[in-house]
Amino acid sequence: NAGVMQNPRHLVRRRGQEARLRCSPMKGHSHVYWYRQLPEEGLKFMVYLQKENIIDESGMPKERFSAEFPKEGPSILRIQQVVRGDSAAYFCASSLPQRPGNTIYFGEGSWLTVV
Amino acid sequence: DAKTTQPPSMDCAEGRAANLPCNHSTISGNEYVYWYRQIHSQGPQYIIHGLKNNETNEMASLIITEDRKSSTLILPHATLRDTAVYYCIVRASGANSKLTFGKGITLSVRP
Repeated sequence: NAGVMQNPRHLVRRRGQEARLRCSPMKGHSHVYWYRQLPEEGLKFMVYLQKENIIDESGMPKERFSAEFPKEGPSILRIQQVVRGDSAAYFCASSLPQRPGNTIYFGEGSWLTVV
Repeated sequence: DAKTTQPPSMDCAEGRAANLPCNHSTISGNEYVYWYRQIHSQGPQYIIHGLKNNETNEMASLIITEDRKSSTLILPHATLRDTAVYYCIVRASGANSKLTFGKGITLSVRP
């Protein structure tokens, strides 16, 4: 079984451009989470989505960041007008529908560098 | 989610057991203990989780105290590839529950 797939693995953008990060969850998983890890810092929750719904976006910056998980296709994390401070590793994770004790699996991450 | 407390770092010799402690004194009855690890420049890797009983899988064992206020992750025969940051996370079992990562413990396995 394929794990959580993220692409691109590495992305370089100039300041002011847009970055789009894609995440394909594990087969059968309908829940997706996005986390961000700044250099030398810990993993910070950004957003939790089900198919076509945002469940929890308490960790998303108020501006320039958006996420979606359409009925068909991967989840997309979109960063508009990127700035140097957006340079980070972005990790996607997925799980089955919530039940006690289920497991969340992570992808290998997308590394965004803003120059 | 309840908070956890882990020492910042520890080391162990290759081939020996690594015992990683975690305190979660405010854990609630419906909250699970999860362990993940992150090897440098990789995504977090699920290791094991449990509610109140001890658990074992091919990677590790999880020992949870009877009062559930602390737990220990045991890697029975540590290898150099086990060098990583290990995160102990308490997660509610309800809907919309996410993983909240702390600083974790850096395990260094020495030859």
